[in-house]
Amino acid sequence: NAGVMQNPRHLVRRRGQEARLRCSPMKGHSHVYWYRQLPEEGLKFMVYLQKENIIDESGMPKERFSAEFPKEGPSILRIQQVVRGDSAAYFCASSQGGGTGELFFGEGSRLTVL
Amino acid sequence: GQQLNQSPQSMFIQEGEDVSMNCTSSSIFNTWLWYKQDPGEGPVLLIALYKAGELTSNGRLTAQFGITRKDSFLNISASIPSDVGIYFCAGFYGGATNKLIFGTGTLLAVQP
Repeated sequence: NAGVMQNPRHLVRRRGQEARLRCSPMKGHSHVYWYRQLPEEGLKFMVYLQKENIIDESGMPKERFSAEFPKEGPSILRIQQVVRGDSAAYFCASSQGGGTGELFFGEGSRLTVL
Repeated sequence: GQQLNQSPQSMFIQEGEDVSMNCTSSSIFNTWLWYKQDPGEGPVLLIALYKAGELTSNGRLTAQFGITRKDSFLNISASIPSDVGIYFCAGFYGGATNKLIFGTGTLLAVQP
Protein backbone atom coordinates (compact mmCIF):
# COMPACT_ATOMS: atom_id res chain seq x y z
CA ASN A 1 0.00 0.00 0.00
CA ALA A 2 1.67 3.18 -1.19
CA GLY A 3 -0.81 5.49 0.53
CA VAL A 4 -0.46 7.61 3.64
CA MET A 5 -0.08 5.29 6.63
CA GLN A 6 -1.21 6.31 10.08
CA ASN A 7 -0.97 4.43 13.34
CA PRO A 8 -2.44 3.63 15.64
CA ARG A 9 -5.93 3.68 14.10
CA HIS A 10 -7.46 3.85 17.56
CA LEU A 11 -5.91 5.03 20.80
CA VAL A 12 -7.43 5.24 24.26
CA ARG A 13 -5.77 7.33 26.93
CA ARG A 14 -6.68 8.46 30.43
CA ARG A 15 -6.57 12.13 31.30
CA GLY A 16 -3.01 13.26 31.93
CA GLN A 17 -1.35 10.61 29.77
CA GLU A 18 0.53 11.23 26.55
CA ALA A 19 -0.70 10.38 23.06
CA ARG A 20 1.70 9.83 20.20
CA LEU A 21 0.37 9.54 16.66
CA ARG A 22 2.49 8.51 13.69
CA CYS A 23 2.25 9.23 10.00
CA SER A 24 4.27 7.91 7.08
CA PRO A 25 3.63 9.98 3.95
CA MET A 26 3.12 8.60 0.49
CA LYS A 27 6.30 7.55 -1.26
CA GLY A 28 7.95 10.55 -2.84
CA HIS A 29 6.04 13.07 -0.72
CA SER A 30 8.04 15.38 1.51
CA HIS A 31 5.20 17.61 2.77
CA VAL A 32 3.09 16.49 5.73
CA TYR A 33 -0.02 18.09 7.21
CA TRP A 34 -1.96 17.24 10.35
CA TYR A 35 -5.67 17.97 10.68
CA ARG A 36 -8.10 17.41 13.55
CA GLN A 37 -11.75 16.45 13.12
CA LEU A 38 -14.22 16.63 15.97
CA PRO A 39 -17.41 14.53 15.71
CA GLU A 40 -19.91 15.96 13.21
CA GLU A 41 -17.44 18.67 12.13
CA GLY A 42 -15.06 19.44 9.29
CA LEU A 43 -11.29 19.17 9.27
CA LYS A 44 -9.30 21.86 11.02
CA PHE A 45 -5.69 22.52 10.03
CA MET A 46 -3.13 22.02 12.77
CA VAL A 47 0.39 21.99 11.35
CA TYR A 48 2.36 21.76 8.10
CA LEU A 49 5.83 20.23 8.07
CA GLN A 50 8.57 19.42 5.63
CA LYS A 51 11.50 17.21 6.51
CA GLU A 52 13.06 18.52 9.74
CA ASN A 53 11.13 21.80 9.51
CA ILE A 54 7.85 23.12 10.85
CA ILE A 55 6.54 25.43 8.15
CA ASP A 56 3.21 26.52 9.62
CA GLU A 57 1.90 25.62 13.05
CA SER A 58 -0.78 28.29 13.21
CA GLY A 59 -3.50 25.71 13.95
CA MET A 60 -1.72 24.00 16.81
CA PRO A 61 -2.76 24.71 20.38
CA LYS A 62 0.05 26.59 22.07
CA GLU A 63 0.42 24.11 24.92
CA ARG A 64 0.68 20.32 25.13
CA PHE A 65 0.76 19.76 21.35
CA SER A 66 3.90 19.30 19.28
CA ALA A 67 4.78 17.85 15.90
CA GLU A 68 7.92 16.74 14.17
CA PHE A 69 8.96 15.26 10.86
CA PRO A 70 12.51 13.96 11.27
CA LYS A 71 14.96 13.28 8.49
CA GLU A 72 14.36 9.56 8.94
CA GLY A 73 11.11 7.98 10.04
CA PRO A 74 7.51 9.04 10.28
CA SER A 75 6.00 12.34 11.30
CA ILE A 76 4.85 12.35 14.92
CA LEU A 77 2.02 14.35 16.50
CA ARG A 78 2.46 14.36 20.25
CA ILE A 79 -0.18 15.41 22.76
CA GLN A 80 0.98 15.68 26.35
CA GLN A 81 -1.29 15.52 29.41
CA VAL A 82 -4.37 14.75 27.35
CA VAL A 83 -7.77 16.09 28.35
CA ARG A 84 -11.25 14.93 27.32
CA GLY A 85 -11.49 17.73 24.77
CA ASP A 86 -8.58 16.20 22.85
CA SER A 87 -10.82 13.28 21.85
CA ALA A 88 -11.05 13.51 18.07
CA ALA A 89 -9.91 11.96 14.80
CA TYR A 90 -6.46 13.15 13.77
CA PHE A 91 -5.71 12.95 10.07
CA CYS A 92 -2.38 13.15 8.38
CA ALA A 93 -2.05 14.17 4.74
CA SER A 94 0.92 14.35 2.42
CA SER A 95 1.73 16.07 -0.84
CA GLN A 96 4.57 16.42 -3.29
CA GLY A 97 4.49 20.19 -2.88
CA GLY A 98 4.55 22.29 -6.02
CA GLY A 99 1.60 24.41 -4.99
CA THR A 100 -1.26 22.28 -6.36
CA GLY A 101 -3.00 21.84 -3.03
CA GLU A 102 -3.62 18.17 -3.74
CA LEU A 103 -3.34 16.49 -0.37
CA PHE A 104 -3.72 12.76 0.12
CA PHE A 105 -5.08 11.68 3.47
CA GLY A 106 -4.50 8.69 5.69
CA GLU A 107 -7.24 6.72 7.42
CA GLY A 108 -6.87 8.74 10.60
CA SER A 109 -6.08 8.03 14.23
CA ARG A 110 -9.03 8.16 16.59
CA LEU A 111 -8.09 9.31 20.06
CA THR A 112 -10.45 8.72 22.96
CA VAL A 113 -9.60 10.28 26.31
CA LEU A 114 -11.33 8.69 29.28
CA GLY B 1 -9.81 29.56 12.14
CA GLN B 2 -10.99 30.26 8.62
CA GLN B 3 -13.64 27.93 7.25
CA LEU B 4 -15.61 27.76 4.06
CA ASN B 5 -19.42 27.87 4.05
CA GLN B 6 -20.86 24.81 2.40
CA SER B 7 -24.51 24.16 1.58
CA PRO B 8 -26.72 22.36 1.97
CA GLN B 9 -25.69 20.87 5.30
CA SER B 10 -27.43 17.59 4.43
CA MET B 11 -29.40 16.03 1.60
CA PHE B 12 -31.68 13.02 1.54
CA ILE B 13 -32.46 11.87 -1.99
CA GLN B 14 -33.71 8.91 -3.98
CA GLU B 15 -31.36 6.80 -6.05
CA GLY B 16 -31.12 8.18 -9.58
CA GLU B 17 -31.61 11.82 -8.63
CA ASP B 18 -29.05 14.49 -9.38
CA VAL B 19 -27.36 16.36 -6.53
CA SER B 20 -25.84 19.81 -6.31
CA MET B 21 -23.84 21.36 -3.48
CA ASN B 22 -21.79 24.52 -3.26
CA CYS B 23 -19.13 26.25 -1.27
CA THR B 24 -18.43 29.94 -0.71
CA SER B 25 -15.63 31.88 0.86
CA SER B 26 -14.86 35.46 1.79
CA SER B 27 -11.31 34.89 0.48
CA ILE B 28 -10.07 33.96 -2.97
CA PHE B 29 -8.31 30.68 -3.64
CA ASN B 30 -5.99 29.49 -6.38
CA THR B 31 -7.24 25.91 -6.21
CA TRP B 32 -10.59 24.41 -5.24
CA LEU B 33 -10.84 20.73 -4.34
CA TRP B 34 -13.67 18.38 -3.48
CA TYR B 35 -13.24 15.42 -1.13
CA LYS B 36 -15.54 12.61 -0.01
CA GLN B 37 -15.33 11.04 3.42
CA ASP B 38 -16.93 7.70 4.29
CA PRO B 39 -17.65 6.88 7.96
CA GLY B 40 -14.49 5.98 9.84
CA GLU B 41 -12.26 6.74 6.87
CA GLY B 42 -10.07 9.58 5.68
CA PRO B 43 -11.12 12.07 3.00
CA VAL B 44 -10.57 10.95 -0.58
CA LEU B 45 -9.83 13.48 -3.31
CA LEU B 46 -12.54 13.56 -6.01
CA ILE B 47 -11.78 16.58 -8.17
CA ALA B 48 -9.25 19.44 -8.21
CA LEU B 49 -9.82 22.75 -10.05
CA TYR B 50 -6.97 25.13 -10.85
CA LYS B 51 -8.38 27.97 -12.89
CA ALA B 52 -11.24 30.43 -12.39
CA GLY B 53 -14.19 29.37 -14.55
CA GLU B 54 -12.83 25.85 -15.02
CA LEU B 55 -15.41 23.07 -15.32
CA THR B 56 -14.08 19.56 -14.68
CA SER B 57 -15.74 16.14 -14.72
CA ASN B 58 -14.81 12.85 -13.12
CA GLY B 59 -17.36 10.20 -14.12
CA ARG B 60 -20.75 11.27 -12.74
CA LEU B 61 -19.16 14.17 -10.86
CA THR B 62 -18.82 17.67 -12.27
CA ALA B 63 -17.28 20.60 -10.45
CA GLN B 64 -16.71 24.25 -11.30
CA PHE B 65 -14.28 26.86 -10.04
CA GLY B 66 -16.23 30.12 -9.70
CA ILE B 67 -15.20 33.16 -11.74
CA THR B 68 -14.70 35.26 -8.60
CA ARG B 69 -12.40 32.53 -7.18
CA LYS B 70 -14.52 32.65 -4.04
CA ASP B 71 -16.86 29.77 -4.75
CA SER B 72 -17.22 26.32 -6.26
CA PHE B 73 -19.97 23.80 -6.85
CA LEU B 74 -20.13 20.02 -7.18
CA ASN B 75 -22.82 18.13 -9.08
CA ILE B 76 -23.42 14.39 -8.89
CA SER B 77 -25.64 12.96 -11.59
CA ALA B 78 -27.77 9.82 -11.33
CA SER B 79 -26.88 9.15 -7.70
CA ILE B 80 -26.30 5.60 -6.48
CA PRO B 81 -26.27 4.18 -2.92
CA SER B 82 -22.46 4.19 -2.73
CA ASP B 83 -22.49 7.99 -3.15
CA VAL B 84 -23.50 8.16 0.52
CA GLY B 85 -20.99 10.04 2.62
CA ILE B 86 -19.85 13.50 3.59
CA TYR B 87 -18.59 15.78 0.84
CA PHE B 88 -16.13 18.52 1.70
CA CYS B 89 -14.95 21.39 -0.41
CA ALA B 90 -11.47 22.75 0.25
CA GLY B 91 -9.66 25.87 -0.87
CA PHE B 92 -5.92 26.25 -1.36
CA TYR B 93 -4.08 29.52 -1.81
CA GLY B 94 -0.46 28.44 -1.86
CA GLY B 95 2.49 30.71 -1.22
CA ALA B 96 2.96 31.45 2.46
CA THR B 97 -0.53 30.08 3.19
CA ASN B 98 0.32 26.62 1.96
CA LYS B 99 -2.56 24.70 3.50
CA LEU B 100 -6.05 23.46 2.66
CA ILE B 101 -9.01 25.17 4.29
CA PHE B 102 -12.03 22.88 4.49
CA GLY B 103 -15.72 23.52 4.20
CA THR B 104 -18.29 22.51 6.78
CA GLY B 105 -19.35 19.45 4.80
CA THR B 106 -22.52 18.17 3.11
CA LEU B 107 -23.96 14.88 4.31
CA LEU B 108 -25.51 12.94 1.44
CA ALA B 109 -27.93 10.08 2.04
CA VAL B 110 -29.24 8.11 -0.93
CA GLN B 111 -32.29 5.90 -0.58
CA PRO B 112 -32.33 2.89 -2.94
